[in-house]
Amino acid sequence: GQQVMQIPQYQHVQEGEDFTTYCNSSTTLSNIQWYKQRPGGHPVFLIQLVKSGEVKKQKRLTFQFGEAKKNSSLHITATQTTDVGTYFCAGPGDNYGQNFVFGPGTRLSVLP
Amino acid sequence: EADIYQTPRYLVIGTGKKITLECSQTMGHDKMYWYQQDPGMELHLIHYSYGVNSTEKGDLSSESTVSRIRTEHFPLTLESARPSHTSQYLCASSMGQWGNTEAFFGQGTRLTVV
Repeated sequence: GQQVMQIPQYQHVQEGEDFTTYCNSSTTLSNIQWYKQRPGGHPVFLIQLVKSGEVKKQKRLTFQFGEAKKNSSLHITATQTTDVGTYFCAGPGDNYGQNFVFGPGTRLSVLP
Repeated sequence: EADIYQTPRYLVIGTGKKITLECSQTMGHDKMYWYQQDPGMELHLIHYSYGVNSTEKGDLSSESTVSRIRTEHFPLTLESARPSHTSQYLCASSMGQWGNTEAFFGQGTRLTVV
């Protein structure tokens, strides 16, 4: 089945520093979604990317979908302690879009 | 706020017991999913459903079973709990084909088998 990988697995940053997590797939993705899970919480949807080369912004968060639709990135500018959590990308789990698979996630720690 | 509910939130149970984790959603979503997640780790898909009377196994081998008799209800049953089943179980739902809408997650059930 479909697999997506993420790097890095962990990232520790000082508050105010930037942060980027990368998501990669061996096959072309029809679309990709990003979720955030706070410690002790459940994943919450952030955004969906569909078009090749698409870039979307949410305040300090910038999401990008690669031209080949095999990779994606999430960049956070000037991290804050509220950004702490695990960021997951997720793609279609089969060709029919009947389920989806998550990447292993990147756990972000922000030191005040 | 998502209308998807899981009960119980926490459960401590002895080895060999049969347990059912409940998941209900009031959004009319056709797709429902069960994920297993150890704290801070990957989400592993264990079961999913396209709709009423459909169930499929996910990528993670599981000793659990599911049923989907009603659109809104997708319970997960462990016939004989073991310590290796200790984990968090997350239920999610979505509408239509993947990519058309987001997935909504319940708050999870933290299961401890002693």
